[in-house]
Amino acid sequence: GQNIDQPTEMTATEGAIVQINCTYQTSGFNGLFWYQQHAGEAPTFLSYNVLDGLEEKGRFSSFLSRSKGYSYLLLKELQMKDSASYLCAVRALYSGAGSYQLTFGKGTKLSVIP
Amino acid sequence: DGGITQSPKYLFRKEGQNVTLSCEQNLNHDAMYWYRQDPGQGLRLIYYSQIVNDFQKGDIAEGYSVSREKKESFPLTVTSAQKNPTAFYLCASSTNTEAFFGQGTRLTVV
Repeated sequence: GQNIDQPTEMTATEGAIVQINCTYQTSGFNGLFWYQQHAGEAPTFLSYNVLDGLEEKGRFSSFLSRSKGYSYLLLKELQMKDSASYLCAVRALYSGAGSYQLTFGKGTKLSVIP
Repeated sequence: DGGITQSPKYLFRKEGQNVTLSCEQNLNHDAMYWYRQDPGQGLRLIYYSQIVNDFQKGDIAEGYSVSREKKESFPLTVTSAQKNPTAFYLCASSTNTEAFFGQGTRLTVV
């Protein structure tokens, strides 16, 4: 099976930097995704990592260490609109079916305060 | 415009009735997924499909059924056997490096 862990909630100040961590245990790892989900809406795609290192996209960056089963999402220059849940998802080979599953963590609810 | 479309956005069902949720994508993605999200909870995988005419059960497949007769379409049927069907249902499609969601269908059993 797969196990994905994220902190349940975080609070950060407008203009600051926040790091949301994700740890996973899985076999057949084939990539890690980060999503943003505002309340009542569908998740929107933020980033994808499959090799070790940092991927930067504007104010958002995502890091992956495959040997440690660890990723983080870094949000810079926080804005009030960044208040949302952030979901970590792992794509891994499901040996029973010979196909890839995309499994999500429970998400981290980020509150940005003035 | 390329994208993934779910319909309807809101759906009400009487107890004991089957209902089918639509999911269509024109992104030419091979893989498609159905998830369920309950209030304050994460996404749980119901079914997924890597290619046409093939699909696998996810973690909570009981009471649900799917088909994948066309690459573009992956409908989900919530059957009367599903004991607690009220939830937010999300469909996704993916390549190796990207995965996008539809807008979701909020199903309520009345």
